[in-house]
Amino acid sequence: SQQGEEDPQALSIQEGENATMNCSYKTSINNLQWYRQNSGRGLVHLILIRSNEREKHSGRLRVTLDTSKKSSSLLITASRAADTASYFCATDGDLRYGGATNKLIFGTGTLLAVQP
Amino acid sequence: GAVVSQHPSWVICKSGTSVKIECRSLDFQATTMFWYRQFPKQSLMLMATSNEGSKATYEQGVEKDKFLINHASLTLSTLTVTSAHPEDSSFYICSARVRGTGVMNTEAFFGQGTRLTVV
Repeated sequence: SQQGEEDPQALSIQEGENATMNCSYKTSINNLQWYRQNSGRGLVHLILIRSNEREKHSGRLRVTLDTSKKSSSLLITASRAADTASYFCATDGDLRYGGATNKLIFGTGTLLAVQP
Repeated sequence: GAVVSQHPSWVICKSGTSVKIECRSLDFQATTMFWYRQFPKQSLMLMATSNEGSKATYEQGVEKDKFLINHASLTLSTLTVTSAHPEDSSFYICSARVRGTGVMNTEAFFGQGTRLTVV
């Protein structure tokens, strides 16, 4: 498969709780990005973390990157019902051949449901 | 941020007909655009990379003659699903990255997607 793996596949939490999603990939990367997709819509960019960065914050979002483990996590703090969406990680990598390209390859995604 | 406009947002067509989907970068030049396909509750699968002024690069398993891509200008790429069949029904999404230096370190901007239903 050309995709990275994300877990959990689905996550249901209560409003106010934190949500953590994980992403693993297989090749060397230039950067890793997280996107959000509301049902039946296009994707919205959330945050980009470069391969030489370990942690990045943006509002209620916190992203970590561990290149030695080829993994990343996205933490959404103090979740809201409006955060309900699918979340995808994406890398600048061709998972079949290794190395970085200008193509974004997406992970399998996590469906987050925040209950009011 | 930059805006990518995709049209139409949904289309229903008869089996055997062709459908064209347009992807435009509205306020930036995109030498490269990407076409993805997404099945319900699944991730995005990259179909092809559209290169301005040259042939598209297709991913393994994607039929070139089935999914025709044209990237005639720095702001427009089109995907034509030829002789569509019900199994081509899917959600198609385009994206573009801002042209410039360090292109591999920029975010991608996505169109709103096109829901194709072939009946």
